[in-house]
Amino acid sequence: DSGVTQTPKHLITATGQRVTLRCSPRSGDLSVYWYQQSLDQGLQFLIQYYNGEERAKGNILERFSAQQFPDLHSELNLSSLELGDSALYFCASSLALGSGELFFGEGSRLTVL
Amino acid sequence: DQQVKQNSPSLSVQEGRISILNCDYTNSMFDYFLWYKKYPAEGPTFLISISSIKDKNEDGRFTVFLNKSAKHLSLHIVPSQPGDSAVYFCAAKEMADKLIFGTGTRLQVFP
Repeated sequence: DSGVTQTPKHLITATGQRVTLRCSPRSGDLSVYWYQQSLDQGLQFLIQYYNGEERAKGNILERFSAQQFPDLHSELNLSSLELGDSALYFCASSLALGSGELFFGEGSRLTVL
Repeated sequence: DQQVKQNSPSLSVQEGRISILNCDYTNSMFDYFLWYKKYPAEGPTFLISISSIKDKNEDGRFTVFLNKSAKHLSLHIVPSQPGDSAVYFCAAKEMADKLIFGTGTRLQVFP
């Protein structure tokens, strides 16, 4: 158990819809990261927050947005969903910046039909 | 543009032998390299890392080697155990903590 909690674990929705994925980082961790893993792909970095502020951005689509709240939990919002958005979305957290050692949640599997 | 590449999608090794997983990268600005292990239905877990100023780091049965001139790193597992069967991801860190992951190598250790 990494201490990172993601909800929901599974989500099935239709094209054009909007979903929100939630992440609670490990207690005390200030950084939250979001990654997307599509079929047979590596983990694609989406975005990072540190103590409520956006710190780094990857290949995140404009239809996607995220935020980190004062209690440090984070949400990833995916809108106008397309079939290609079906993937496993991982949240990770870390205490300190610079180490690269991230603690990952079990992921949220999104299926868009 | 795949900056971190793991060209072997899978590897099968007998228990007790050495497993060698390879990773190539293209960006010379990477300052830290890491290996993560992933079991089915779980998130990746950190395994071992190496700074770009070193060429070797060892932790028990796991050793990571870095060849900066070749932009290549490898993970050695000796001896391999059935519990090591998992998908292994190589990752490289840019500034601002952004980790770039490879596509993974599925390791199977058989008795």
